[in-house]
Amino acid sequence: NAGVTQTPKFQVLKTGQSMTLQCAQDMNHEYMSWYRQDPGMGLRLIHYSVGAGITDQGEVPNGYNVSRSTTEDFPLRLLSAAPSQTSVYFCASSYSPGLIYNEQFFGPGTRLTVL
Amino acid sequence: AQKVTQAQTEISVVEKEDVTLDCVYETRDTTYYLFWYKQPPSGELVFLIRRNSFDEQNEISGRYSWNFQKSTSSFNFTITASQVVDSAVYFCALSEVQDGSEKLVFGKGTKLTVNP
Repeated sequence: NAGVTQTPKFQVLKTGQSMTLQCAQDMNHEYMSWYRQDPGMGLRLIHYSVGAGITDQGEVPNGYNVSRSTTEDFPLRLLSAAPSQTSVYFCASSYSPGLIYNEQFFGPGTRLTVL
Repeated sequence: AQKVTQAQTEISVVEKEDVTLDCVYETRDTTYYLFWYKQPPSGELVFLIRRNSFDEQNEISGRYSWNFQKSTSSFNFTITASQVVDSAVYFCALSEVQDGSEKLVFGKGTKLTVNP
């Protein structure tokens, strides 16, 4: 199993550009989520999905879109990048939502810089 | 609202010292889960432990131990005989259950430096 994979590892964008951060998992996990990590802020939830076709907003969703057309993939789209979106982005997945909560498996992260 | 507080931003110790990382949480849920994750300098996030709100037994795993005190809403993490490889940022997290789905709320992390 590759676990959770993220591409690219690094990206530099100019203000106003759009891009998609890719996330895939091969563990058949229903639950997937995106976090951003900023210095001194910990990890903050952007969007999450409890299964294919279902997505919802987290703590800091503005400026980001997601979709979940398959169980495996959960891309994060930046429609018009802003310098405030400079961050490290982590994708995570876990077995299932519900009251029995399992550990989340994190991808290696994507370091995004917006100039 | 839920909140996870890791009051110690940075801790520096000398190898072989014991060190405790504090975590205090706030929640109105009666069922919740607490987690610790480690983020070494390489950047990946490594799961360390999960504890549910009904299990207040302390946990020990090698040099790591966790003290869950529901009365004080704390879930502290102790590393015994610290080693240089323990240098990392450690995150405490609390699960939130809404409409049958769970989300994690992270503390801001404690950066631990273990010096040789």
